[in-house]
Amino acid sequence: LAKTTQPISMDSYEGQEVNITCSHNNIATNDYITWYQQFPSQGPRFIIQGYKTKVTNEVASLFIPADRKSSTLSLPRVSLSDTAVYYCLVGGFTGGGNKLTFGTGTQLKVEL
Amino acid sequence: NAGVTQTPKFQVLKTGQSMTLQCAQDMNHNSMYWYRQDPGMGLRLIYYSASEGTTDKGEVPNGYNVSRLNKREFSLRLESAAPSQTSVYFCASSERLGGRTEAFFGQGTRLTVV
Repeated sequence: LAKTTQPISMDSYEGQEVNITCSHNNIATNDYITWYQQFPSQGPRFIIQGYKTKVTNEVASLFIPADRKSSTLSLPRVSLSDTAVYYCLVGGFTGGGNKLTFGTGTQLKVEL
Repeated sequence: NAGVTQTPKFQVLKTGQSMTLQCAQDMNHNSMYWYRQDPGMGLRLIYYSASEGTTDKGEVPNGYNVSRLNKREFSLRLESAAPSQTSVYFCASSERLGGRTEAFFGQGTRLTVV
């Protein structure tokens, strides 16, 4: 399984764009990149998933360069409610299931 | 549609006691997982089940056993609880649908072993 490396923590202010980068140097050809968000005392929640280039949904964008050795989660105009831990996961997803392994995550703190 | 339901939500055990954490999902997912999360730490995979009838060890399986009772249910058993197993336990299920794989998590079981 590809190991991921993320910053331990980041600070931001309301209204700013936040970019969290994840390194995954030994990503395999069939691996996807997925980001989860976790609030205190809750289970993680899916944010976004991609394989290459750029993926955008209603809450975030995911940028993946051509070599796929890193990825960047972009949160536009964050608010206090975006304060959470963000996890980057790398793995191959098949109908038979995947060994979903979480790293240490990035604690994002948003202030006024 | 309840998603992933874990029981109990809280539990206090004495060292050496046994217990089973229950997990059920109503989304017809093939894959299910058990994680533990210690204070201030990330989630660590204990066991997972890619499909009904199969289970595999994760990162920290020692001291635990699992049973995939059917497609809906995946239980985690502590045979002889130890203080080091004090943690929050999360169950999850996942399926690849619509071109993506998304895992859904339960609300967690907060276990204290004294």
